[in-house]
Amino acid sequence: DVKVTQSSRYLVKRTGEKVFLECVQDMDHENMFWYRQDPGLGLRLIYFSYDVKMKEKGDIPEGYSVSREKKERFSLILESASTNQTSMYLCASTGMTGRNEQFFGPGTRLTVL
Amino acid sequence: DAKTTQPNSMESNEEEPVHLPCNHSTISGTDYIHWYRQLPSQGPEYVIHGLTSNVNNRMASLAIAEDRKSSTLILHRATLRDAAVYYCILRAIYNFNKFYFGSGTKLNVKP
Repeated sequence: DVKVTQSSRYLVKRTGEKVFLECVQDMDHENMFWYRQDPGLGLRLIYFSYDVKMKEKGDIPEGYSVSREKKERFSLILESASTNQTSMYLCASTGMTGRNEQFFGPGTRLTVL
Repeated sequence: DAKTTQPNSMESNEEEPVHLPCNHSTISGTDYIHWYRQLPSQGPEYVIHGLTSNVNNRMASLAIAEDRKSSTLILHRATLRDAAVYYCILRAIYNFNKFYFGSGTKLNVKP
């Protein structure tokens, strides 16, 4: 059974803390994505990576950075968490072309106090 | 970027067919039409996708208009477990990172 796993389902952090969200996929996919999901706004793309050490900004990259040192692992970093980053964070992976389906992780609900 | 338009919500009775519409009037010739659904407290899951021809799989059917400017996801017999938010998105064949998820259609299934 193919899987995308995320390190935590729920996370509570304080303003100003550095936060790491980890995502691992076991499908040997080249492409990995980080989204955030907020009520009424749907899913918005933060960053994606199309290869190890390669990354591109999505629609809302401000306040976030990413790291992809290994093909199976894609990390989202909040350098200094703020309350407006309270959200559901979803990781996804997919193969090389638009024909391929995207597989999502279960999500991490992050609360920044 | 090509975007999609879906109704905010729809309601269906259990065991009846459901037709979920999606408009994508700015679709390009290389955009695939994908459908995903998101059950409560879960990440989205893939349902079906197509390019030009209608498609069937074990979960649903996808009917694509001849001009490709709209499509319809068909659930043949809705169950309570089908209650979810359904997203219609376009994915370019190679520039596939550029796509827009939208707000989706929230499907309510009544027993």
